[in-house]
Amino acid sequence: ETGVTQTPRHLVMGMTNKKSLKCEQHLGHNAMYWYKQSAKKPLELMFVYNFKEQTENNSVPSRFSPECPNSSHLFLHLHTLQPEDSALYLCASGSGEPAKNIQYFGAGTRLSVL
Amino acid sequence: SQKIEQNSEALNIQEGKTATLTCNYTNYSPAYLQWYRQDPGRGPVFLLLIRENEKEKRKERLKVTFDTTLKQSLFHITASQPADSATYLCALASLPMDTGRRALTFGSGTRLQVQP
Repeated sequence: ETGVTQTPRHLVMGMTNKKSLKCEQHLGHNAMYWYKQSAKKPLELMFVYNFKEQTENNSVPSRFSPECPNSSHLFLHLHTLQPEDSALYLCASGSGEPAKNIQYFGAGTRLSVL
Repeated sequence: SQKIEQNSEALNIQEGKTATLTCNYTNYSPAYLQWYRQDPGRGPVFLLLIRENEKEKRKERLKVTFDTTLKQSLFHITASQPADSATYLCALASLPMDTGRRALTFGSGTRLQVQP
């Protein structure tokens, strides 16, 4: 148990569906992140939130919409996705400590877009 | 452009041997480097961090070296066990950092398979 919980663990959706991924951290961290992990590729940073404010958006298509209502919760709203969006979506939190910035990951949501 | 390279081919070794994984980087001046372990269908788990002014770091059977001249980090697992089988990722963070809240940049990882 890493202290970061993601739901659902698996999600299958059609290209016209709307769904949301949820992440919750119990570590008291101020920073939260969404990553995408596709087979054989490095983790791709999508969004960064610090103290509920979005500080990074790495050119992510608008069909992915993040929401961070407080420092413990992070959502990723999905709509009109494409098959190439199928991947493992990982949430992470970090203390933001300048000397370390160790990231704590959830188990991920395995997303399949049909 | 900045690049992090890890051997994409799986590393197969016999139980009891030392596993050595490599992380090379270009166009980076990392302040520190981290290693993570990732099991199938799970998120990465932090293992070790080494700073640019440290040559070596150890934790139990794990050892990490960091050579900023060669732009390379080596990750060693001594007396390897089948339970060490996983994918190992290196991650870099550079200075200047806006209070360290920026995310890390990860390599694609190397899969280690330890045969009993």
